[in-house]
Amino acid sequence: NAGVMQNPRHLVRRRGQEARLRCSPMKGHSHVYWYRQLPEEGLKFMVYLQKENIIDESGMPKERFSAEFPKEGPSILRIQQVVRGDSAAYFCASSPFRQGREQFFGPGTRLTVL
Amino acid sequence: EDQVTQSPEALRLQEGESSSLNCSYTVSGLRGLFWYRQDPGKGPEFLFTLYSAGEEKEKERLKATLTKKESFLHITAPKPEDSATYLCAVTPQGGSEKLVFGKGTKLTVNP
Repeated sequence: NAGVMQNPRHLVRRRGQEARLRCSPMKGHSHVYWYRQLPEEGLKFMVYLQKENIIDESGMPKERFSAEFPKEGPSILRIQQVVRGDSAAYFCASSPFRQGREQFFGPGTRLTVL
Repeated sequence: EDQVTQSPEALRLQEGESSSLNCSYTVSGLRGLFWYRQDPGKGPEFLFTLYSAGEEKEKERLKATLTKKESFLHITAPKPEDSATYLCAVTPQGGSEKLVFGKGTKLTVNP
């Protein structure tokens, strides 16, 4: 009865490198969401995906950020050419196929850009 | 623009001292309001979902209520282990399933 899993838990990158964050939803959940939490800020929505589809990416920065949720395997949030301002905690959440239902969060990936 | 405001930002209580946290929201129709608890260095932990004005949910020392403009999280006789940041979030009508979060209330309960 595992919950939402995220890895790595901590990730250190130098400016200009790529960061790949992985999320495996709870068993039976087909909806995945990514949120970002900056220091002293609230959680901000980034993107909402179902298997092989991006449903809402209105919170994603226009450049350098992308997300996918393939038919097989975890959801991936990819940040290209990281900058110091990308340093944050990135949380993944999942929910079952029912509208307006609660989302269950993973432990997060803490990204530090040097 | 959909907005969630939580107050106070921080709250210190003595063990056993009951209090309430406030979450006011401005949304284009409310699909659901959610309360989460977040401990330092961890992900948010789901507590309650409320869907319509007048609804109430309870769990141990916590009770959540909902009106048309705000929600309250009542904490009765808190214990030190209730210390955490409590987050309120809403899902607006007509959009995707995204959650719009407030900045949270950091609760500290002293023994």
